[in-house]
Amino acid sequence: ETGVTQTPRHLVMGMTNKKSLKCEQHLGHNAMYWYKQSAKKPLELMFVYNFKEQTENNSVPSRFSPECPNSSHLFLHLHTLQPEDSALYLCASSQDVEGRGDTEAFFGQGTRLTVV
Amino acid sequence: GDSVTQMEGPVTLSEEAFLTINCTYTATGYPSLFWYVQYPGEGLQLLLKATKADDKGSNKGFEATYRKETTSFHLEKGSVQVSDSAVYFCALSDRGYQKVTFGIGTKLQVIP
Repeated sequence: ETGVTQTPRHLVMGMTNKKSLKCEQHLGHNAMYWYKQSAKKPLELMFVYNFKEQTENNSVPSRFSPECPNSSHLFLHLHTLQPEDSALYLCASSQDVEGRGDTEAFFGQGTRLTVV
Repeated sequence: GDSVTQMEGPVTLSEEAFLTINCTYTATGYPSLFWYVQYPGEGLQLLLKATKADDKGSNKGFEATYRKETTSFHLEKGSVQVSDSAVYFCALSDRGYQKVTFGIGTKLQVIP
């Protein structure tokens, strides 16, 4: 496989469930990201990992917990979510170079999450 | 802070029509500018980019010119096809990809 792969593609979970989203990249990139895409809103950057270190957490509620065990894998652990958390969750990766602002990001197909 | 403004849409065009999707930005620094495209059921993918004033990015018949004086990066295509139906995101990056700011996305529907 090549590129960025996300699993599952679709997930329905209750508000008391615990689930995890998985992202894997085969591009040799050093940075990985989680985004939330909701209808009629700009893409929201949730978490950034660079060389497995979390470098950004944009005020995301603690019911979302990221994990980056190595530079190729990224997880988003979900616990006691709310219906308003229903959205498309996108993973991306890039080869981040300090001072360069033109780095391309590669996105996975996303996980469509529905919280009931 | 940085921001990107683009029309929300949907924009509906007939096949072979001319396309313009407007994008304007505000940034504290001297950003790079991007257009990403999201086809149905897919993630985003880079369509084109420009890194300095007056640069023109182009790909698959789409073009956009970095206009510093008007802080704009409008996307154009001379003749759209049904296969161009997708959501188009304008974005800017000041300090590497981690600081990318996306617009709301513009949905394009091309009808035969």
